Amino acid sequence: DTGVSQDPRHKITKRGQNVTFRCDPISEHNRLYWYRQTLGQGPEFLTYFQNEAQLEKSRLLSDRFSAERPKGSFSTLEIQRTEQGDSAMYLCASSLSSGRAVGETQYFGPGTRLLVL
Amino acid sequence: LAKTTQPISMDSYEGQEVNITCSHNNIATNDYITWYQQFPSQGPRFIIQGYKTKVTNEVASLFIPADRKSSTLSLPRVSLSDTAVYYCLVLDSNYQLIWGAGTKLIIKP
Repeated sequence: DTGVSQDPRHKITKRGQNVTFRCDPISEHNRLYWYRQTLGQGPEFLTYFQNEAQLEKSRLLSDRFSAERPKGSFSTLEIQRTEQGDSAMYLCASSLSSGRAVGETQYFGPGTRLLVL
Repeated sequence: LAKTTQPISMDSYEGQEVNITCSHNNIATNDYITWYQQFPSQGPRFIIQGYKTKVTNEVASLFIPADRKSSTLSLPRVSLSDTAVYYCLVLDSNYQLIWGAGTKLIIKP
């Protein structure tokens, strides 16, 4: 296993279109996180899964965003009716839960850079 | 929500020791403070994690005072390849993940 992978690496879309990103975590990891990062800022937490269950979703997350992890392996993040403000790097990370709160080491993918025109 | 504060940027020279401090309040009492490194166009990479006092690994040390209201990442004898952005990550008292805004470290020859 070579680590967390994300697809696509880059996406350009027009405002109003829907986009979907995929994340493949490290195979034995049971937790999967999605973040958004804009230039000059730290990652902003969006949501996370433990196996197939979505346990937490940021209060700041618009209803246009939805994520799934149907079999507890890969995950998809969909953004509906994209807006220019959605332009950012979308990062996925995975971790092996030790059973405590979400402070364990996260392993990040290379990210998907989204540009909404 | 917890809030973290880090210097926006720092400069140093090869071979020097660099210390980056992150201030954080209202963090969860029972979880770790973690630091990550990020290079351009890459995801963050784990550096070190600690709960209290001092932790050392092969690349860095982390100092956490007893009140856990701050943490200091120490990079010994930096090289040009340590030029990156460094983030602290904590959990707030509601167990929300809080990332700092990052410290851009520039190492000069």
